[in-house]
Order: sequence, then C-alpha cells, then structure tokens
Amino acid sequence: DTGVSQDPRHKITKRGQNVTFRCDPISEHNRLYWYRQTLGQGPEFLTYFQNEAQLEKSRLLSDRFSAERPKGSFSTLEIQRTEQGDSAMYLCASSFSGSLSTEAFFGQGTRLTVV
Amino acid sequence: QKEVEQNSGPLSVPEGAIASLNCTYSDRVSQSFFWYRQYSGKSPELIMSIYSNGDKEDGRFTAQLNKASQYVSLLIRDSQPSDSATYLCAVNRHAGTALIFGKGTTLSVSS
Repeated sequence: DTGVSQDPRHKITKRGQNVTFRCDPISEHNRLYWYRQTLGQGPEFLTYFQNEAQLEKSRLLSDRFSAERPKGSFSTLEIQRTEQGDSAMYLCASSFSGSLSTEAFFGQGTRLTVV
Repeated sequence: QKEVEQNSGPLSVPEGAIASLNCTYSDRVSQSFFWYRQYSGKSPELIMSIYSNGDKEDGRFTAQLNKASQYVSLLIRDSQPSDSATYLCAVNRHAGTALIFGKGTTLSVSS
C-alpha cells in the first residue's frame, strides 16, 4: 500500500443520476477527508471521518451528498440526483491522528462530469 | 475575510531565482500549516509542514511561520521549470479539525 487510492478516476454521468466514489486510505491512517475542487479554486472541505465516525460536515454538503466509512477502512461518497454544478474533482485524503503532525496525503482524485 | 488567503498570481520568476509565496490566515488559534504543490490536472502533493514560529528548511524549500502576524510563506531557491505549478497553503486549527485551503498561487518558472 503506497498511498491513497480513489476509484474511479473519471466519471461522466447524466444529470439526475446517482454516483458513488470510493476511497481507500493509507492503511495505518485513521482519518479520512473528502474535498471538492473546481478549476482555479483550492480544495473545498466536504467532510471527514476519524475511524468510522463522521466528525465534521461542511455546509457545502447538501442533502444530496452522503459519505460513509464502514468499519473505519475505505470510504464512499455518494451524490444523488446529480446536477451540472456537481462537476468537479473529488479528492480524498488521509492522515494519522495521535501526534502533533496532521500531515494529510491525497489520492489521485475522481473527476466528475455531469452532462 | 476568507480563512486562508493567497495571491492567485501568476508569479513569474526566471530559472535559478528565488520564488516567494505568501499566505495569511484568519484564525489566530491555528496550529498546523502546510504547503502543497499541485500540477495541472493532478492532485495536491504535500511538500512542507510547519508548526512553530521560524523557518523550516527542506532542500530547496524553506517554510516560514509568523503566528503573531498570522502569516506563512514558502521560499523556493534555485527555481526550476519543473517547479511551475500551483502552490496551495493549508491551515489546521487543531488536530481534530480538517485542513482549510487557500485558492493557491500559480508559479511559472521560465528557462
């Protein structure tokens, strides 16, 4: 396990469809974060987990978005009834808690295009 | 006021020069500070972290933190064309919260 893995890398979907993305964190990392990034912007925080507990959710995360991390391992992010405004890069990052260092490492991202 | 602010650039420097990237943050209790590099179409890559006031050096990179001024910077010495990327500043209020990112500064190094 050399890093954070995201699947799929690219997703094209029609407006109104549901999509689900998966993230596998670095194996010893207990924290997992989801971010969304659009062109010319920095990553915008969506939500984060410590183990299986979802500890924080951004106001950006509408009711159409849901994230899970069963058993504190991989995580999924689902977007229901996609809209064109959901087109973005969805980034997952993981880190290890328990020390001052909270360095987070990103996966390659999932690029979503809603047509 | 945005939580983390960066000049979007572009910042253009010639090869071999020092590039200086700046970031300010609004939450005075922030404890951890990070610089990420992001190439076009790729995900962010962590290049530096800093937690205490002062300078931290790693190869050609130096991060500088001034908590009193709520300011963090990144210096890149001997800039190379391969350093051309967007540099993202990220701030963590404390270990139990998420990283908040600035919009990033685009750096262009010309040969």
